[in-house]
Amino acid sequence: QSVLTQPPSVSGAPGQRVTISCTGSSSNIGAGYDVHWYQQLPGTAPQLLIFGNTNRPSGVPDRFSGSKSGTSASLAITGLQAEDETTYYCQSYDSSLSAVVFGGGTKLTVL
Amino acid sequence: QVQLQESGPGLVKPSETLSLTCTVSGGSISGYYWTWIRQPAGKGLEWIGRIYSSGSTNYNPSLKSRVTMSADTSKNQFSLKLTSVTAADTAMYYCARGFGGISREFDPWGQGTLVTVSS
Repeated sequence: QSVLTQPPSVSGAPGQRVTISCTGSSSNIGAGYDVHWYQQLPGTAPQLLIFGNTNRPSGVPDRFSGSKSGTSASLAITGLQAEDETTYYCQSYDSSLSAVVFGGGTKLTVL
Repeated sequence: QVQLQESGPGLVKPSETLSLTCTVSGGSISGYYWTWIRQPAGKGLEWIGRIYSSGSTNYNPSLKSRVTMSADTSKNQFSLKLTSVTAADTAMYYCARGFGGISREFDPWGQGTLVTVSS
């Protein structure tokens, strides 16, 4: 059971908008720690997608956006493309555990 | 740009010590935090710990008793040792660069190295 809770799967049709939630608690996201998002293509290492809740590294399309509110964060993907079909992870820090924590990952299917 | 490459034995016997090295190219390890993360096949990511270039460390409390990290600025490398391994330690091991505060992001990551614990 991950400290940060993500839905195991989400889906959407090409061109649509999907969101992936990352729910934490008062000892991690709710405590003000930043949330970061990674995209992991099959057989490859995770790649940074969003950092500091809302920021995109250079090279990441603006179809990807992040937000944070209270004890949760979300990753939104607009204009879904077939190449977006993969797994996404959120990351934060938990002060009770004194550890960096990840969500369990969400598999995005493009219908 | 900065690139990371993990290296080490792909097979470790139970109760022995897992040793991995991450070689950094395209930039110096000085001034950054360097992190180890692992991922069992088909499962999620687990943070193992991090080391600053000067040698200070933060370890995941769940692994702290078995983990030692070190950094060698002359070789631009950092290393992980995990003692008393069991089958539960079988995973893909990634190294990554971190920044400043412990809640910061990791970027870039190495391609990962698969370690299997088996006799």
